[in-house]
Amino acid sequence: NAGVTQTPKFQVLKTGQSMTLQCAQDMNHEYMSWYRQDPGMGLRLIHYSVGAGITDQGEVPNGYNVSRSTTEDFPLRLLSAAPSQTSVYFCASSPRTGYEQYFGPGTRLTVT
Amino acid sequence: GQNIDQPTEMTATEGAIVQINCTYQTSGFNGLFWYQQHAGEAPTFLSYNVLDGLEEKGRFSSFLSRSKGYSYLLLKELQMKDSASYLCAVSRNTNAGKSTFGDGTTLTVKP
Repeated sequence: NAGVTQTPKFQVLKTGQSMTLQCAQDMNHEYMSWYRQDPGMGLRLIHYSVGAGITDQGEVPNGYNVSRSTTEDFPLRLLSAAPSQTSVYFCASSPRTGYEQYFGPGTRLTVT
Repeated sequence: GQNIDQPTEMTATEGAIVQINCTYQTSGFNGLFWYQQHAGEAPTFLSYNVLDGLEEKGRFSSFLSRSKGYSYLLLKELQMKDSASYLCAVSRNTNAGKSTFGDGTTLTVKP
């Protein structure tokens, strides 16, 4: 199993550009989440999903969209990048009947 | 809302024992997680407490008191590789993916 994979690993955007961060898992987990982590801080929940076709907002959803068309994939879209979105983005998945979250390696995003 | 507090930094000596505290105030509570995060890497799961008491897993133990809104992570026989950030996180329901995280405690282990 590859676990949770994320692409790209690094990305630099200009203000106003849009892009999609990819996340995939091969563990057949129902739950998937997107977090952002700013320097010296913990993770903040952006969006999460409890299954294909079902998504909901977390603590900091503004400026981001998600969709969940399959169990495996959970892409995060930045609609119009802003410098405040400079951060490290982690995708995570967990099974419905368990409690351990498995994290991807992260995407380091810089918006200039 | 949810408020989770942890010390920002701690230092300990190789071979010693260290306790990292976490206090929380939440509008709902299902369980409390501890994660380890090495610099530049993703968090990895350490423990999950739902009921009051101590959960032991090798050199690591985690304690929870629901009535006091308090947890701690105990690391024994410290090794240099234990130098990392330790994140406390609270879930309000059975979905682990809907957790709220504290800002983490950076532990430095010195020889």
